[in-house]
Amino acid sequence: GDSVTQMEGPVTLSEEAFLTINCTYTATGYPSLFWYVQYPGEGLQLLLKATKADDKGSNKGFEATYRKETTSFHLEKGSVQVSDSAVYFCALSDRMNDKVIFGPGTSLSVIP
Amino acid sequence: NAGVMQNPRHLVRRRGQEARLRCSPMKGHSHVYWYRQLPEEGLKFMVYLQKENIIDESGMPKERFSAEFPKEGPSILRIQQVVRGDSAAYFCASSLEGTGATYNEQFFGPGTRLTVL
Repeated sequence: GDSVTQMEGPVTLSEEAFLTINCTYTATGYPSLFWYVQYPGEGLQLLLKATKADDKGSNKGFEATYRKETTSFHLEKGSVQVSDSAVYFCALSDRMNDKVIFGPGTSLSVIP
Repeated sequence: NAGVMQNPRHLVRRRGQEARLRCSPMKGHSHVYWYRQLPEEGLKFMVYLQKENIIDESGMPKERFSAEFPKEGPSILRIQQVVRGDSAAYFCASSLEGTGATYNEQFFGPGTRLTVL
């Protein structure tokens, strides 16, 4: 079945460092891809999305490009802030069944 | 336009009691999804409902768990005779369209954190 794999955390970075969180997926169809963020004690918020190959999603300085050839959707940010500390979930939605399938999440801590 | 609403935000139950979790989707959304997040784990799909219909319950435990989305009112996730292993955060999401949409963007509520003593 469809699945999402993320790099394991926790990830600890200094403020203004470059961030990459790797995400790869397995899907039989042509899924939409998402990054969700969960701040401590809160629900999930959609961070960015891409619906077809080569699309780039971007929001709040974060970017991810839908790479069909490598089945990847890596999250990047050029300069992280303390306020970016959260858990990041890569996810896919297969339009055939409407489920969103989540990766296990990657915890990010940004220290001043 | 209010987002997805869930209540209660926190729920404490003793073993054997019933837990009822409510979810009001975004205005105009007729598709509701429930997910469970166990401690230190990602979210796992439980059930997908449209108004008055269960579309996919493949992630729902066969016993003690049930869900409904009536014509009027919120969606309800019901857990009977709760056990400690049911302690988790339960998230509801809603979407405007389901199968066949150009993409299935789901908007999540803040979750209900269930603690079973």
